[in-house]
Amino acid sequence: QKEVEQDPGPLSVPEGAIVSLNCTYSNSAFQYFMWYRQYSRKGPELLMYTYSSGNKEDGRFTAQVDKSSKYISLFIRDSQPSDSATYLCAMRDGSNYQLIWGAGTKLIIKP
Amino acid sequence: NAGVTQTPKFQVLKTGQSMTLQCAQDMNHEYMSWYRQDPGMGLRLIHYSVGAGITDQGEVPNGYNVSRSTTEDFPLRLLSAAPSQTSVYFCASRTNSNQPQHFGDGTRLSIL
Repeated sequence: QKEVEQDPGPLSVPEGAIVSLNCTYSNSAFQYFMWYRQYSRKGPELLMYTYSSGNKEDGRFTAQVDKSSKYISLFIRDSQPSDSATYLCAMRDGSNYQLIWGAGTKLIIKP
Repeated sequence: NAGVTQTPKFQVLKTGQSMTLQCAQDMNHEYMSWYRQDPGMGLRLIHYSVGAGITDQGEVPNGYNVSRSTTEDFPLRLLSAAPSQTSVYFCASRTNSNQPQHFGDGTRLSIL
């Protein structure tokens, strides 16, 4: 079993819909949680960075961490075709430099 | 400000050949890392460095060497290429362990 599980998709939704992307993990020591967006043939770029549990909002994006369920989510409101990309979750504990990555979910926003 | 620059963008090698993937950053970041990305597996850490002259192994270091003689550059060497090393390689840098990583656009490597 992988430490971080992420549905590979593709997830296809119409423009304007609310998108929910999720990762589950097994290591209860994880404290730092990140969401990266990766366009085709590009490197990942950081979208959201949260510490411990709770919500964090940035424009149309909301990151949610539920440590009791070992589950993190990224919500995208008013989705746009430009949001079409692969979304990667990553996480680590407080003492380890190494990030543990999900395999990524491919998201397609249909105009 | 170029960020993280990787060269080449594409490369085809024959089994047994060696080559160096270049990575340079102009943000004065101390931390640099090399990852490989394979379908269905996410990013896996190959080697990393926390400053000039300091390197360490990641999750999948076998078959790769690194060195860090300057803050700016962190080359990755394939010693004797194998088909299992066909992948997309990403270099990343950051200020310290609590800061987010900045990635280059990758090198797509095929080993025949």
